[in-house]
Amino acid sequence: DIQLTQSPSFLSASVGDRVTITCRASQDISNYLAWYQQKSGKAPKLLIYAASSLQRGVPSRFSGSGSGREFTLTISSLQPEDFATYYCQHLETYPPKSTFGQGTKLEIK
Amino acid sequence: EVQLVQSGAEVKKSGESLKISCKASGYSFTNYWIAWVRQMPGKGLESMGIIYPSDSDARYSPSFQGQVTFSADESINTAYLQWSSLKASDTATYYCARLFYDSSGHYMCDYWGQGTLVTVSS
Repeated sequence: DIQLTQSPSFLSASVGDRVTITCRASQDISNYLAWYQQKSGKAPKLLIYAASSLQRGVPSRFSGSGSGREFTLTISSLQPEDFATYYCQHLETYPPKSTFGQGTKLEIK
Repeated sequence: EVQLVQSGAEVKKSGESLKISCKASGYSFTNYWIAWVRQMPGKGLESMGIIYPSDSDARYSPSFQGQVTFSADESINTAYLQWSSLKASDTATYYCARLFYDSSGHYMCDYWGQGTLVTVSS
């Protein structure tokens, strides 16, 4: 089974900072990776799919990159509403079973 | 507007059975897989598995195989997650999500239910 490892697990940053979160897969997954944001007590929200495609309605300060085994989520200029936990997810082609990374909690410095 | 509305919070005792629901609206329910995701208190997201409502084809993640059952009733656009005998370790929030398939061949969880908190006391 494919494992996803996110780093760091915790990240402290300030409004306006540029931050990058990494997700590493245990084997080549091409670009079959999505990123989600979860705020406390809320359902996750899709940010990025196919490693680098921005979901409609998501601000352009969010971007994704990578293929194969290493992927990154970048927030170009942190806004107060971006402090949350971020998860990467690999979804297989068929059937679409999935695996999540363990999450990265982004906190205000 | 696509919506997934889950049933309300439950408080149960160990050994009891439970069935929670996820009612879909705003799209063709039978044409999209539904995923179930567990989140234990203070922990991350875990994939439990998926179900295709059109034919109730259900696939379970290894950790959940034999522990839960997925079902769907296409007549009322509702997916279900059930337990026959709850354990205290089943205490968690459970989410359903729609799996969208885009033209480039990628799946993604594009709409989520609000979550159902299940509390199991021993």
